[in-house]
Amino acid sequence: ETGVTQTPRHLVMGMTNKKSLKCEQHLGHNAMYWYKQSAKKPLELMFVYNFKEQTENNSVPSRFSPECPNSSHLFLHLHTLQPEDSALYLCASSQDYGGRASNTQYFGPGTRLTVL
Amino acid sequence: QKEVEQNSGPLSVPEGAIASLNCTYSDRGSQSFFWYRQYSGKSPELIMFIYSNGDKEDGRFTAQLNKASQYVSLLIRDSQPSDSATYLCAVNKGSGAGSYQLTFGKGTKLSVIP
Repeated sequence: ETGVTQTPRHLVMGMTNKKSLKCEQHLGHNAMYWYKQSAKKPLELMFVYNFKEQTENNSVPSRFSPECPNSSHLFLHLHTLQPEDSALYLCASSQDYGGRASNTQYFGPGTRLTVL
Repeated sequence: QKEVEQNSGPLSVPEGAIASLNCTYSDRGSQSFFWYRQYSGKSPELIMFIYSNGDKEDGRFTAQLNKASQYVSLLIRDSQPSDSATYLCAVNKGSGAGSYQLTFGKGTKLSVIP
């Protein structure tokens, strides 16, 4: 596979469930990102990992827990979510994080999450 | 004040016309500017980026940047129905905490009418 892949593509979960989203990039990049895209709102950056280290956490509730075991894989662990967390969750990667190289981000197809 | 503002549209243009998409930003220290295209139900894909004042052309697309006026625009020449999508403007915040983050606008929906 090429580019940035995400699984699952669709997820429906109850508020008491625990689930995980997976992202994998095949571009040899060192930085990975989680974004949330809700209807009629701008893309919101959630987390940034650079060389497996978390660089940014934009005041995301603790019910979202990221994990980056290596530069190619990124997970988002979900637990006790709320209906307002329903959104498209996008993963992205870039060469690294810092300077202009961080700006050219490539997005995965996203996971459409519905919380009941 | 919103950090990155775009007219939500929809912007409708006839096939073959020039589509003009505009974006304004609030952080005067912003340094890098990006246009992404997002088809319905799909993820954003990078069209082009611009760092310096002036115009940058890539095929049918031209990005224009005016840092003094804090706006960036995207022109699409010879618009095609396949250009119908939402166009996202993204800005590098420039300085301070999270300076390498991209801040996105809500996007402008473009509809090219055959």
